[in-house]
Amino acid sequence: SQKIEQNSEALNIQEGKTATLTCNYTNYSPAYLQWYRQDPGRGPVFLLLIRENEKEKRKERLKVTFDTTLKQSLFHITASQPADSATYLCARVEYGNKLVFGAGTILRVKS
Amino acid sequence: DVKVTQSSRYLVKRTGEKVFLECVQDMDHENMFWYRQDPGLGLRLIYFSYDVKMKEKGDIPEGYSVSREKKERFSLILESASTNQTSMYLCASMGERSYNEQFFGPGTRLTVL
Repeated sequence: SQKIEQNSEALNIQEGKTATLTCNYTNYSPAYLQWYRQDPGRGPVFLLLIRENEKEKRKERLKVTFDTTLKQSLFHITASQPADSATYLCARVEYGNKLVFGAGTILRVKS
Repeated sequence: DVKVTQSSRYLVKRTGEKVFLECVQDMDHENMFWYRQDPGLGLRLIYFSYDVKMKEKGDIPEGYSVSREKKERFSLILESASTNQTSMYLCASMGERSYNEQFFGPGTRLTVL
């Protein structure tokens, strides 16, 4: 089965720095990867989608990359703020409209 | 503003009880999903539906069933709740294209005693 692996350790960074989260996948490259944000006690909220043939995608302070050679996607938040503290989930889009999620990485931004 | 609502935020049931979790979306989406989320395991797909009265098993369907009688409503049923079904349950909906974002409800935290 296709797997998505995210760093299970929380990432602690200082306000103003760039946070970088990693998502690794197994076997074949998915056509699309998605990134979601989840706050405690709430459902995930969609942030960005990147296609297999896109190297990079940006949205405001967010940037996602997709490296099919490394089988990896990186998610960057520049000029991070305490309000960015949350769990970030990576998901691969599978045939039949299904998503396979990673377990998520907790980001803590300290002021 | 798009919305996915779930019938309860918190639910406590006893072992052996029949449990219904309801999900309603107002976006006229064809696709609806039920996940459970457990620490360290992420979201795991239980069942999904791509149309009224249609359903497909996800990765962990055992012990669950679903019902989709109307487009906007997707129900998850635990026929006989067990303690290992204690979890956070999340419903989501998605439009027609397969790479579309999924819109999630707030979740139901179910505890089975």
